[in-house]
Amino acid sequence: AQSVTQPDIHITVSEGASLELRCNYSYGATPYLFWYVQSPGQGLQLLLKYFSGDTLVQGIKGFEAEFKRSQSSFNLRKPSVHWSDAAEYFCAVASNTGNQFYFGTGTSLTVIP
Amino acid sequence: DSGVTQTPKHLITATGQRVTLRCSPRSGDLSVYWYQQSLDQGLQFLIHYYNGEERAKGNILERFSAQQFPDLHSELNLSSLELGDSALYFCASSLGQGGQPQHFGDGTRLSIL
Repeated sequence: AQSVTQPDIHITVSEGASLELRCNYSYGATPYLFWYVQSPGQGLQLLLKYFSGDTLVQGIKGFEAEFKRSQSSFNLRKPSVHWSDAAEYFCAVASNTGNQFYFGTGTSLTVIP
Repeated sequence: DSGVTQTPKHLITATGQRVTLRCSPRSGDLSVYWYQQSLDQGLQFLIHYYNGEERAKGNILERFSAQQFPDLHSELNLSSLELGDSALYFCASSLGQGGQPQHFGDGTRLSIL
């Protein structure tokens, strides 16, 4: 069965520091992978997606993610974090039929000045 | 603004009651997904409709039902409400199927007293 694991429940980084949020997935075939961000009281906003091709994908707000098939991972990175990046981040996997999406439990990011 | 509209934003009701949550997808999107987000369960996929037809069911209770109308808006009906149904309910839409990115509404916060 498909599943997504985000091993870090909460991460704290200093403003200007680099960030990496981990995501591991379980899926039989090549998955469609996504990262979403949720600010308090808001819906989820798509940061980036991976369907195929180049394993390093660029997203909005300076985020990028790398698909590593051998490790079943799709980690999200940002070279320099801004205070406005504080939010909840969700990794998701979809089947190639797209009929079901599976979300991780999320990683809460705190940015300290 | 994702273009997905959910109403109402907040709903307070009592146990045993029935409520209807409404979702208008982005213009041109044919798929609508419903999710439940609670502190203890995370983001749970409930159901997916594509162009008026049910395509997939997730962790949706029998007390819950949904439909997508010819104008593509969707409604999620929750009946015999229990305290545990208190949650944030999100609707998301996508252009089609096949794992296309989903665009989320701001959610309906349901509180059961």
